Amino acid sequence: QVQLVQSGPEVKKPGASVRVSCRASGYTFAAYDITWVRQAPGQGLEWMGRISPNNAEFQGRVAMTSDTSSRTAHLDLSSLTHDDTAVYYCVRGSRPNGLDVWGQGTLVTVSS
Amino acid sequence: QSALTQPASVSGSPGQSITISCSGGSGDVGFYNDVSWYQQHPGKAPKLMISDVNNRPSGVSDRFSGSKSGNTASLTISGLQTEDEAHYYCSSYSSSNTVIFGGGTLLTVL
Repeated sequence: QVQLVQSGPEVKKPGASVRVSCRASGYTFAAYDITWVRQAPGQGLEWMGRISPNNAEFQGRVAMTSDTSSRTAHLDLSSLTHDDTAVYYCVRGSRPNGLDVWGQGTLVTVSS
Repeated sequence: QSALTQPASVSGSPGQSITISCSGGSGDVGFYNDVSWYQQHPGKAPKLMISDVNNRPSGVSDRFSGSKSGNTASLTISGLQTEDEAHYYCSSYSSSNTVIFGGGTLLTVL
């Protein structure tokens, strides 16, 4: 069974950092990228970026890594603000769009 | 980049057909045949319903279909069922090598 299982909910203070993990099973991890999408409470979906297997991407406050040996992708977000409060999803995709397998989502709450 | 434009809500009765529009520009919907549609029920992760404008993944009902004309893509749901009530999001690949989502449409089945 193809699935992505994410780490549990997090509560952080403004200015802190958070890591969200995503472990894949049931498919060849090295054959697909992982995309990160977030959804603020009551809002729509926001595409954050994608990472290819065994790679790392750094975009400002966002770092994405992927490790084929552990079949796990990580999203690191630093200098958190209240606007970063959202459910973060990892999603499988062979291309940037048309994402076919979604993790269950991880709620990150930024609260002082 | 601005989000793609979707109506905030649409509604229909069981058995009817509805269409949800998704408007973009010449750098996304209008240029690439790479439009997807996702269904999201409350508290659940989105589910891919349509990719590449009109391709249905395995397991998705053939009541769902997609199309595109110019800068606007559309999702049509025929034979509405109560379980179709959900939020629907379109997305498109864009010239900036990113993906843009629409703001989402709430479908109510009356």
